[in-house]
Amino acid sequence: NAGVTQTPKFQVLKTGQSMTLQCAQDMNHEYMSWYRQDPGMGLRLIHYSVGAGITDQGEVPNGYNVSRSTTEDFPLRLLSAAPSQTSVYFCASSSRLAGDRDTQYFGPGTRLTVL
Amino acid sequence: GQQVMQIPQYQHVQEGEDFTTYCNSSTTLSNIQWYKQRPGGHPVFLIQLVKSGEVKKQKRLTFQFGEAKKNSSLHITATQTTDVGTYFCAGPRRLANFGNEKLTFGTGTRLTIIP
Repeated sequence: NAGVTQTPKFQVLKTGQSMTLQCAQDMNHEYMSWYRQDPGMGLRLIHYSVGAGITDQGEVPNGYNVSRSTTEDFPLRLLSAAPSQTSVYFCASSSRLAGDRDTQYFGPGTRLTVL
Repeated sequence: GQQVMQIPQYQHVQEGEDFTTYCNSSTTLSNIQWYKQRPGGHPVFLIQLVKSGEVKKQKRLTFQFGEAKKNSSLHITATQTTDVGTYFCAGPRRLANFGNEKLTFGTGTRLTIIP
């Protein structure tokens, strides 16, 4: 199993550009989430999904869109990039099994810089 | 809303010294998780505590969950250079319809080791 994969690893955007961060998992996990990590602020939840076709907002959703058309994929779209969105983005998945619920399996991250 | 505070933000220790990080929640948690993130890496799940007053050990790491289930600690005995990284606690935020699907992460404690 590859676990959780993310592409690209690095990205530089200009203000106003749009792009999609890709996330895929091969563990058949129902739950998937996007976090951003900024210095001194830990990990903050952007959007999450509890299954295909179901998404909801997290703590910091503004400027981002998500969709979940399959169990495996959970892309994050930046509609119009702003310098405040410079961050490291992590995708994570988790299983709904009782013993493993909430345990997050993280991807390697995407380091995004917006100029 | 629920907040999870973590102290200290930074800790520098001599190799061989002990290290402790503390996590406090404004509300009672159903469980608490700990993650480790190596420099340049992604968070990796360490352990989950569920029961009030629970203590778990992983080699030199000791994890405690408070009696009121609102605080937790991670203690490392005799630190080694491999312990370098940022340690995060995380507590689930219960949703009305979907149970514990959202985690709130602490701000993390960055541990550096002086050889």
